[in-house]
Amino acid sequence: EPEVTQTPSHQVTQMGQEVILRCVPISNHLYFYWYRQILGQKVEFLVSFYNNEISEKSEIFDDQFSVERPDGSNFTLKIRSTKLEDSAMYFCASRGLLQPQHFGDGTRLSIL
Amino acid sequence: ILNVEQSPQSLHVQEGDSTNFTCSFPSSNFYALHWYRWETAKSPEALFVMTLNGDEKKKGRISATLNTKEGYSYLYIKGSQPEDSATYLCAFIGLSNQFYFGTGTSLTVIP
Repeated sequence: EPEVTQTPSHQVTQMGQEVILRCVPISNHLYFYWYRQILGQKVEFLVSFYNNEISEKSEIFDDQFSVERPDGSNFTLKIRSTKLEDSAMYFCASRGLLQPQHFGDGTRLSIL
Repeated sequence: ILNVEQSPQSLHVQEGDSTNFTCSFPSSNFYALHWYRWETAKSPEALFVMTLNGDEKKKGRISATLNTKEGYSYLYIKGSQPEDSATYLCAFIGLSNQFYFGTGTSLTVIP
């Protein structure tokens, strides 16, 4: 069965550095999402992406964050000037039209 | 952004107890309701896709019902086990393909 894959599985970065989290959605999916879960807290929606543009974003998704689908297969989340509070599990998801979301296994981001 | 509410927000039950929780959503522009199970630090698992009013779905000890006219869905877990501990999320899918997760119910099953 096709899967959503995320790399790396664990990213350790110094505070203030930029980080790019990568996701390869399922190939015929049209809608793409990023979520995060800070340890011990609820899952938070960050952004949804369709037709090469952001369709919806949460208050968390400020100017520090950006998403891109540079080559039609990868879907990336860039976090600029990382802060300690950005440490979390970041999950990517994709879905087809009117279908459930399929999630990757997540990237654990640790900011030191 | 639509309001998709789940209650209770968190729940602690003893192993062996049966439990249920609710997802409330707008009854207009409804296309489908999905249930997901999300264990901490793991990727979510889709449990059910429900589209018709009166739908009932079952997967092992977990089942769900759907009432699209009044805008709610129940998820039931029979004989809860510690491995059922997770956050259970419903998601509303609208006719225009909007997708909104609910607020989630965090279930803890105490051995």
